[in-house]
Amino acid sequence: AQKVTQAQTEISVVEKEDVTLDCVYETRDTTYYLFWYKQPPSGELVFLIRRNSFDEQNEISGRYSWNFQKSTSSFNFTITASQVVDSAVYFCALSEEDSNYQLIWGAGTKLIIKP
Amino acid sequence: NAGVTQTPKFRILKIGQSMTLQCTQDMNHNYMYWYRQDPGMGLKLIYYSVGAGITDKGEVPNGYNVSRSTTEDFPLRLELAAPSQTSVYFCASGTGGVYEQYFGPGTRLTVT
Repeated sequence: AQKVTQAQTEISVVEKEDVTLDCVYETRDTTYYLFWYKQPPSGELVFLIRRNSFDEQNEISGRYSWNFQKSTSSFNFTITASQVVDSAVYFCALSEEDSNYQLIWGAGTKLIIKP
Repeated sequence: NAGVTQTPKFRILKIGQSMTLQCTQDMNHNYMYWYRQDPGMGLKLIYYSVGAGITDKGEVPNGYNVSRSTTEDFPLRLELAAPSQTSVYFCASGTGGVYEQYFGPGTRLTVT
């Protein structure tokens, strides 16, 4: 079974729309860490956020926000008022003791923002 | 600060050839990682190191070797290249498994 599931393979929206990228994870550990990374068309991987399992507070950073819900094992990412520069592949990843704290990656969601 | 640098950026290998992908970081991170990313997929861990002289296998180590003689460098060696090793290879570094990793720009390798 996949430990990190990003069910949306590709999402396409028009600029200025809000968009939410879903991430569902699976772990038996009580202490674990969740991450989001961005991979723009240029190919590099850029760290966006890290969350530990004991901190369920939502996080907002400018137009980006993250919703962590342990009850549904989800760590969703919302971009408000999307811009063309947000076009990228976004990866969710899990770090848990059961996997020796190695990052387990989702398959990624390709986000296309049309002008 | 250069961060994590990787060379070369692109390489084409013939089946059976060998090569070394270079990775250097200047952030004094103890942890370093090698990943491969196949088209349309997430990253898969090949090898990692928690400090100079210490390396361990990740999820897909077959066909690769690593060494870590210094904190800064973590080269990845491909022996007897096969078409299945065609991929983009990323090196990363960090301060520990529970913390974020910082990635190099990647090496696009084609084996034909």
